Amino acid sequence: DAGVIQSPRHEVTEMGQEVTLRCKPISGHDYLFWYRQTMMRGLELLIYFNNNVPIDDSGMPEDRFSAKMPNASFSTLKIQPSEPRDSAVYFCASSGTGVTDTQYFGPGTRLTVL
Amino acid sequence: SQQGEEDPQALSIQEGENATMNCSYKTSINNLQWYRQNSGRGLVHLILIRSNEREKHSGRLRVTLDTSKKSSSLLITASRAADTASYFCATDQTSGSRLTFGEGTQLTVNP
Repeated sequence: DAGVIQSPRHEVTEMGQEVTLRCKPISGHDYLFWYRQTMMRGLELLIYFNNNVPIDDSGMPEDRFSAKMPNASFSTLKIQPSEPRDSAVYFCASSGTGVTDTQYFGPGTRLTVL
Repeated sequence: SQQGEEDPQALSIQEGENATMNCSYKTSINNLQWYRQNSGRGLVHLILIRSNEREKHSGRLRVTLDTSKKSSSLLITASRAADTASYFCATDQTSGSRLTFGEGTQLTVNP
């Protein structure tokens, strides 16, 4: 298996623009997680899905952030409009056994908002 | 504050030495996991230890768990330059429904 795939790997955009991050989980995994990592706040869980259904989005910082999982092999995290404080590395992870079991992380998307 | 807190924040050793990192947490857990993150990469799962286990081994890794002290340690024996990375503990609280990651220990192994 290719593991969790994320695109793009790097994104540079200007404040106010829409940003869409993409993730393909490991085939057969029922859980998908979106995390954000910054020096100041560490690794934060934004939202997770189980069988394509959002279960816990309490970590989504504000309404500018939205996430979807239209099918078992694809998820998006959208920021609209983007702000400089959104600059971070965004990770997607998946798990085949449970929300608190082993998670498999993608390589991340480094987002820079100017 | 974070459920899991690693100590030390940074550790620098010579190749061949052992590296020990600690993780303390605040509330009861079901399991505790350790992950490694190389620079510019995603986290990679290393080992999971359940609350009813006291010690676990995987290759050069040894993990201990002391639930009475709410702490865990990760020992890497005979370290290599390739072990240079950040190491995170992640806890599964009995009262929660998600993994909570600590802030990590940055390990540097000098050749």
